[in-house]
Amino acid sequence: DARVTQTPRHKVTEMGQEVTMRCQPILGHNTVFWYRQTMMQGLELLAYFRNRAPLDDSGMPKDRFSAEMPDATLATLKIQPSEPRDSAVYFCASGPRLARYNEQFFGPGTRLTVL
Amino acid sequence: QKEVEQNSGPLSVPEGAIASLNCTYSDRGSQSFFWYRQYSGKSPELIMFIYSNGDKEDGRFTAQLNKASQYVSLLIRDSQPSDSATYLCAASDSWGKLQFGAGTQVVVTP
Repeated sequence: DARVTQTPRHKVTEMGQEVTMRCQPILGHNTVFWYRQTMMQGLELLAYFRNRAPLDDSGMPKDRFSAEMPDATLATLKIQPSEPRDSAVYFCASGPRLARYNEQFFGPGTRLTVL
Repeated sequence: QKEVEQNSGPLSVPEGAIASLNCTYSDRGSQSFFWYRQYSGKSPELIMFIYSNGDKEDGRFTAQLNKASQYVSLLIRDSQPSDSATYLCAASDSWGKLQFGAGTQVVVTP
């Protein structure tokens, strides 16, 4: 069945290391969103793309975070250098090309722990 | 600052009863509204969306929207222990961006 996939599912790293998270949107979906979820802040939108073009990354700390979509089947979120405050669950979501109501479907998430 | 507000709960509901969840939003330009269910340690799962004033029913779930009052609700009829989860309300702007509330934790007690 059609699902958003994310890798890795879990990542433990040390402060200062580079972290790359990957997302494969549902085939045929043309919008991709990156969210971060923490107990304190809830779900926060970091960045999103439509037809592979970045539309909004205002929720993302620009100095250390970057998001790209090198092709229609792959979106990446990179943190360099990582910090303990980046520890969170990072979700990717995708939306259908002909979404009339802007529905989004979430992947399983990447649980990131920065020591 | 666009906001979506929900009571954090926990909302304790006896099995078989109706769970009523409420949500308010601040952006009058919001186009459509979503309810996601999130089990502990899992990702949000879309259960319903609504875009017109009134009620929308899907199985045991009914979403209600009142744009004049900027209010969205979700009713869960015949609540089951498997309905125990956090329910996230979200509002979409015209660009397709979702603003999420903090979520309401629902606990269905046998």
